[in-house]
Amino acid sequence: AIQLTQSPSSLSASVGDRVTITCRASQGISSALAWYQQKPGKAPKLLIYDASSLESGVPSRFSGSGSGTDFTLTISSLQPEDFATYYCQQFNSYPRMYTFGQGTKLEIK
Amino acid sequence: QVQLQESGPGLVKPSETLSLTCTVSGGSVSSGSYYWSWIRQPPGKGLEWIGYIYYSGSTNYNPSLKSRVTISVDTSKNQFSLKLSSVTAADTAVYYCARVGRAFDYWGQGTLVTVSS
Repeated sequence: AIQLTQSPSSLSASVGDRVTITCRASQGISSALAWYQQKPGKAPKLLIYDASSLESGVPSRFSGSGSGTDFTLTISSLQPEDFATYYCQQFNSYPRMYTFGQGTKLEIK
Repeated sequence: QVQLQESGPGLVKPSETLSLTCTVSGGSVSSGSYYWSWIRQPPGKGLEWIGYIYYSGSTNYNPSLKSRVTISVDTSKNQFSLKLSSVTAADTAVYYCARVGRAFDYWGQGTLVTVSS
């Protein structure tokens, strides 16, 4: 099974900072990767799909890049509402299966 | 606007079967454009995909849970359901249902299921 490893596991940053979170797949997955934001007590929210496509309604400060095994989520200028946990997730087409990374907790410095 | 709502017991005894239902509104489980999935999250931990169902009834499950999981769909009620058998304390988690298009794009609010005697 394909495994996803996120780094770092936690991150402290300040409002206005540019932040990058990395997700590495154990084997190539083309662009079949999504990113989610989860706040305490809430369901995850889809931010990015197909590695770099911004979900409707998501602010443009969020961007995704990568293909194959290495992917990044970038927040260009952190806002107070962005402090949350972020998960990557991959999709395997055959057999159709899904895997999540372990999460990256983004905290206020 | 698509909405999903989980329902079911919040407390299940060890060795029994956990049963949850997801009711979909604003969309149809009969749509051939989407899969319908269950995901869980133990307290303080990460997300784990459990399995999915397609409107036709085809399913696939996480290999780590496959022997204990059944997901079914009721198109007449616009619902899909999860059964997890022989539960232990390790199955205590918030259980989410979600729609799967290019990714998990719509989620229910989640329901906490505790396994305890």
